[in-house]
Amino acid sequence: DVKVTQSSRYLVKRTGEKVFLECVQDMDHENMFWYRQDPGLGLRLIYFSYDVKMKEKGDIPEGYSVSREKKERFSLILESASTNQTSMYLCASSFGGGRTEAFFGQGTRLTVV
Amino acid sequence: GENVEQHPSTLSVQEGDSAVIKCTYSDSASNYFPWYKQELGKGPQLIIDIRSNVGEKKDQRIAVTLNKTAKHFSLHITETQPEDSAVYFCAAPMDSNYQLIWGAGTKLIIKP
Repeated sequence: DVKVTQSSRYLVKRTGEKVFLECVQDMDHENMFWYRQDPGLGLRLIYFSYDVKMKEKGDIPEGYSVSREKKERFSLILESASTNQTSMYLCASSFGGGRTEAFFGQGTRLTVV
Repeated sequence: GENVEQHPSTLSVQEGDSAVIKCTYSDSASNYFPWYKQELGKGPQLIIDIRSNVGEKKDQRIAVTLNKTAKHFSLHITETQPEDSAVYFCAAPMDSNYQLIWGAGTKLIIKP
């Protein structure tokens, strides 16, 4: 079974802190994605990566950065956390981008206080 | 760019009845339409998808229909069961080929 693992289920951080969300997949997928999920807004793409060291902005990249040093790992970084970044964060991976099945992690619920 | 609208936002049906969730999309070039189910505390999981060369696809109690002329596609769940309670998302690809545009989600509640 494909497995996408996010490092934390719940995180509470203070305003201004630097926050790292880690995601690891074990199926050698080229593509990895970070989404933010908020009620009534669906899934909004923050960043995606189609290869090691490659990254592309999604719809809402402001306030976030990413890192992909190894194929299996994709990290989301909040340089200076703010309360409006309180949300559910979902990582996903796939072989072929938007036209093949995406496999999701279980999500990280981040609260910024 | 692509825009996907999903309705209703919440759907409550009696156990055993059918449920229908509808999505419309804007990009006539879109050719792949997946549906994902998100159970409480989990990430979304693909349950069925359809490509534009067919009008309907079934998998046991779930089916997806596609009307390319009207640019809408629907998820149909028959004989609903308690385990069908979840949030369902539709999506359509952007022309970039990497990105999916997601509907806002439908919370399906199955009443016993």
